[in-house]
Amino acid sequence: GENVEQHPSTLSVQEGDSAVIKCTYSDSASNYFPWYKQELGKRPQLIIDIRSNVGEKKDQRIAVTLNKTAKHFSLHITETQPEDSAVYFCAARASGGSYIPTFGRGTSLIVHP
Amino acid sequence: NAGVTQTPKFQVLKTGQSMTLQCAQDMNHNSMYWYRQDPGMGLRLIYYSASEGTTDKGEVPNGYNVSRLNKREFSLRLESAAPSQTSVYFCASSFSTSGAPYEQYFGPGTRLTVT
Repeated sequence: GENVEQHPSTLSVQEGDSAVIKCTYSDSASNYFPWYKQELGKRPQLIIDIRSNVGEKKDQRIAVTLNKTAKHFSLHITETQPEDSAVYFCAARASGGSYIPTFGRGTSLIVHP
Repeated sequence: NAGVTQTPKFQVLKTGQSMTLQCAQDMNHNSMYWYRQDPGMGLRLIYYSASEGTTDKGEVPNGYNVSRLNKREFSLRLESAAPSQTSVYFCASSFSTSGAPYEQYFGPGTRLTVT
């Protein structure tokens, strides 16, 4: 089955800096890569996603890049703000089998004012 | 729309007790899921239901059972709770497993402690 590795597990930045979280996946058939944000005590919520036919997608201060050859994808947050502090999860969804996304273990992002 | 709802929000059980976690969605989604979240372990799939009338095991099904009661409701049952089942449980739903859109919507979670 799919295996998703996520790094780093914790990321601490100063307000205004950029933050990058990286994920690798094992199944070359995976075709959908969402990112979820989970604030403390809340539910995970989708913030951005990318499909395998696209190399990059941007939404205001967040962007996701995908390298299918290397089987890795990354979340980029620019001009970080304290409200960006949360746990971020990546996931990869296979295009066959059960089609269920496999999640990474999460990255705790702390933005210091 | 309420989205995905879960009850209860919190629960404390003694070892060996049983309980059922309830989940409902009002988005007319075909697929529903149960995850557990433990520190440093991410979201691990317990069971899922691709469509009404079907259920399948996920990554960590031992000690759990599920029922897809109808299209809206998907319950998770712990028959004999163990301390290792102390966790936060999330229910989620999506349009389907195989067709777009693929986004999963999560419920607010149930924090379960087994003593």
